[in-house]
Amino acid sequence: TQLLEQSPQFLSIQEGENLTVYCNSSSVFSSLQWYRQEPGEGPVLLVTVVTGGEVKKLKRLTFQFGDARKDSSLHITAAQPGDTGLYLCAGPSGAGSYQLTFGKGTKLSVIP
Amino acid sequence: GAGVSQSPSNKVTEKGKDVELRCDPISGHTALYWYRQRLGQGLEFLIYFQGNSAPDKSGLPSDRFSAERTGESVSTLTIQRTQQEDSAVYLCASSLWVGEWDNEQFFGPGTRLTVL
Repeated sequence: TQLLEQSPQFLSIQEGENLTVYCNSSSVFSSLQWYRQEPGEGPVLLVTVVTGGEVKKLKRLTFQFGDARKDSSLHITAAQPGDTGLYLCAGPSGAGSYQLTFGKGTKLSVIP
Repeated sequence: GAGVSQSPSNKVTEKGKDVELRCDPISGHTALYWYRQRLGQGLEFLIYFQGNSAPDKSGLPSDRFSAERTGESVSTLTIQRTQQEDSAVYLCASSLWVGEWDNEQFFGPGTRLTVL
């Protein structure tokens, strides 16, 4: 079973600060996805990274896939209250690529 | 509908009762997934439907859990003789197809199940 460990589990920061959250595994993943989940809602896909060393930017969010494809990070610049939510990483596992293994998530609170 | 819908949004039941959860996927999405999200945990894969193929039930935690899907439309997840450890948010997702990994899953808002 491929496991994804996310850190930190909780993060509370002031508006305008920068932050980085991590997603690590001892296993190689063909790709990793990042989702954001708000209370009472389902997760929403933010990005998929597929190439080792890949960096993708989505406005103030920067996603990186490790060279060895075992880890990924999400960096947020100048965090805003609207960034508050649960950030989940996920990767394919099992016999079919449709099965996703999820990390437990990082719960981010951005204080105005 | 614009997105995946689930009903009910909240369900409180007594231990030992059966519950049925419903998912309406996005029209045209051939793949449908059920996940369970326990408090403080990540999402656990439960079951996957793709078109008329046999479903992948490998994630169902016990034989008390079952799911059905009619064609490429509505799916129901049934939990029989509910236990307190079944308390969780049950999420449904749908996607256009499964072939390449950049296939995006769209999630519903979930059903929060509380077993007393």
